[in-house]
Amino acid sequence: NAGVTQTPKFRILKIGQSMTLQCTQDMNHNYMYWYRQDPGMGLKLIYYSVGAGITDKGEVPNGYNVSRSTTEDFPLRLELAAPSQTSVYFCASSSGRVDTGELFFGEGSRLTVL
Amino acid sequence: KNQVEQSPQSLIILEGKNCTLQCNYTVSPFSNLRWYKQDTGRGPVSLTIMTFSENTKSNGRYTATLDADTKQSSLHITASQLSDSASYICVVGPGSTLTFGKGTMLLVSP
Repeated sequence: NAGVTQTPKFRILKIGQSMTLQCTQDMNHNYMYWYRQDPGMGLKLIYYSVGAGITDKGEVPNGYNVSRSTTEDFPLRLELAAPSQTSVYFCASSSGRVDTGELFFGEGSRLTVL
Repeated sequence: KNQVEQSPQSLIILEGKNCTLQCNYTVSPFSNLRWYKQDTGRGPVSLTIMTFSENTKSNGRYTATLDADTKQSSLHITASQLSDSASYICVVGPGSTLTFGKGTMLLVSP
């Protein structure tokens, strides 16, 4: 059982480039999330989705976009990468509302913008 | 502003010893409190989830306590093992925006 799978694990971008972080879950969870974790800081919510076709902004959405065309996939798009987007990105999923259901995380994608 | 404060920032203990990690929160309204373990270079893994009505929950050698009146929680690790070396993160709900603490880095030394 793979759980939540993220790709790539590592990526280096130049300022102004764009890229997509992929996230797939095989647990048939309706809720999916993208977080970023900066050194010495707590995780911050970027975007979340409560089901296919439905997405909403989290705490730090600027510079990112998401889509949710299927239950399984929730890609995160970075447009015009900036050094401030250097971080570790985690995708997560839950079967129910995040305030009641257990959250399952992927292994993370470490992004460096130079 | 919702906040979760964890202490200590880091801790070194000898293998086999017990330890207690602290979490104070100012999240309102309160729905639940979670403890996660994050190994270096990995994603967080859930240890316990407690709602307002629960004041203790165990998961093997991990026991979490919650005092909703004082808005404090602790995570007690019994008979530590080398594999317990990790960051332990306290997370407080409700809603789609959970509030994450910065974590306590635990190193278990042989």
